[in-house]
Amino acid sequence: DVKVTQSSRYLVKRTGEKVFLECVQDMDHENMFWYRQDPGLGLRLIYFSYDVKMKEKGDIPEGYSVSREKKERFSLILESASTNQTSMYLCASSTDRDQETQYFGPGTRLLVL
Amino acid sequence: GQNIDQPTEMTATEGAIVQINCTYQTSGFNGLFWYQQHAGEAPTFLSYNVLDGLEEKGRFSSFLSRSKGYSYLLLKELQMKDSASYLCAVRGLSGYSTLTFGKGTMLLVSP
Repeated sequence: DVKVTQSSRYLVKRTGEKVFLECVQDMDHENMFWYRQDPGLGLRLIYFSYDVKMKEKGDIPEGYSVSREKKERFSLILESASTNQTSMYLCASSTDRDQETQYFGPGTRLLVL
Repeated sequence: GQNIDQPTEMTATEGAIVQINCTYQTSGFNGLFWYQQHAGEAPTFLSYNVLDGLEEKGRFSSFLSRSKGYSYLLLKELQMKDSASYLCAVRGLSGYSTLTFGKGTMLLVSP
């Protein structure tokens, strides 16, 4: 069974803290993605990776960085958390086959105080 | 760039049929996905269309017209558990498997 896991379901951090969100997939997928989801704005792509050590900016990369040292793991880093980064963060993975969907993790709800 | 529009909210009655529309303007097109997302949960895959026409899968069907930049998701025999947000997403021709999502349509099914 397809599985994408995220390190935390809920996280509370203070402004200025460095925050790590971890995502692991067990499907040997090439592609991994980080989104944030906000009411009225929908899902927006932050960063994605199509191979180990490769990363590409999505639509809203400012304030974020990513790391993919192993194929199964994709980390999202908030270098200095700000209150406007309070959001639901969703990780997803997929293969390169056109008809293949993205599989999503359960999400991390981050609150920055 | 890509622009995807879908209604913000819809309501329907248990047992009825509902159609959720999605229109898109894209610089390239390589498939359209529909996802279901219950409150507080991850999106789950419902359907994929890349050619014009109707794809049927049980109570759910999805239609695509590439020339019109239009898709719809049809839900039949609505059940209370179908109350959820429905997301339309388009894959472009970037060479990567990235999707651009609409803002989602919140469907409320009432008894």
